[in-house]
Amino acid sequence: QKEVEQNSGPLSVPEGAIASLNCTYSDRGSQSFFWYRQYSGKSPELIMSIYSNGDKEDGRFTAQLNKASQYVSLLIRDSQPSDSATYLCAVSDYKLSFGAGTTVTVRA
Amino acid sequence: DAGVTQSPTHLIKTRGQQVTLRCSPISGHKSVSWYQQVLGQGPQFIFQYYEKEERGRGNFPDRFSARQFPNYSSELNVNALLLGDSALYLCASSSGQVLPLNQPQHFGDGTRLSIL
Repeated sequence: QKEVEQNSGPLSVPEGAIASLNCTYSDRGSQSFFWYRQYSGKSPELIMSIYSNGDKEDGRFTAQLNKASQYVSLLIRDSQPSDSATYLCAVSDYKLSFGAGTTVTVRA
Repeated sequence: DAGVTQSPTHLIKTRGQQVTLRCSPISGHKSVSWYQQVLGQGPQFIFQYYEKEERGRGNFPDRFSARQFPNYSSELNVNALLLGDSALYLCASSSGQVLPLNQPQHFGDGTRLSIL
């Protein structure tokens, strides 16, 4: 079983719609959770961090964490073409473990 | 403020050679981690260094080694290069202390290593 799994993509959404990304993790001892955005050929860029159960909102992004279900999600509201990228879920215990990423394409 | 800087940006080597990659963390960050990212996959953890000591190591062979200097910059060395070592090598720094990694890590632009 992979440590961090993300819903397989690619995910295509129309401009202005909500993109929903999901992530599950295997280590119940994980304490910190991050979402990174990676444009093609570029390095990962941190967009959200979440540490406790519930929702955390930052602009058009909302991260949700449910430790009992070992589940993290990211919602992107009012999706823009500039949101087209690969989104990486990362989970931290003694190291940062990444999922394989979900590629999102926003159609204009 | 300067972010994480890595050098070189691109590198081409042949099988069996050795390579050294360099990283300078964000000013004030004492923790540096190295990751390998193969095309189509997420980054894989190689090493974490804090205060010049190795604090974590991923599932990589002994051909991979690293060190951190007093100014918190770091080098990743890979010996006896294999075709499978072709990847984007990412360095990340963090303001957090050791483990667990509660503070976000910020990545440099990476070094793209190609093995012929």
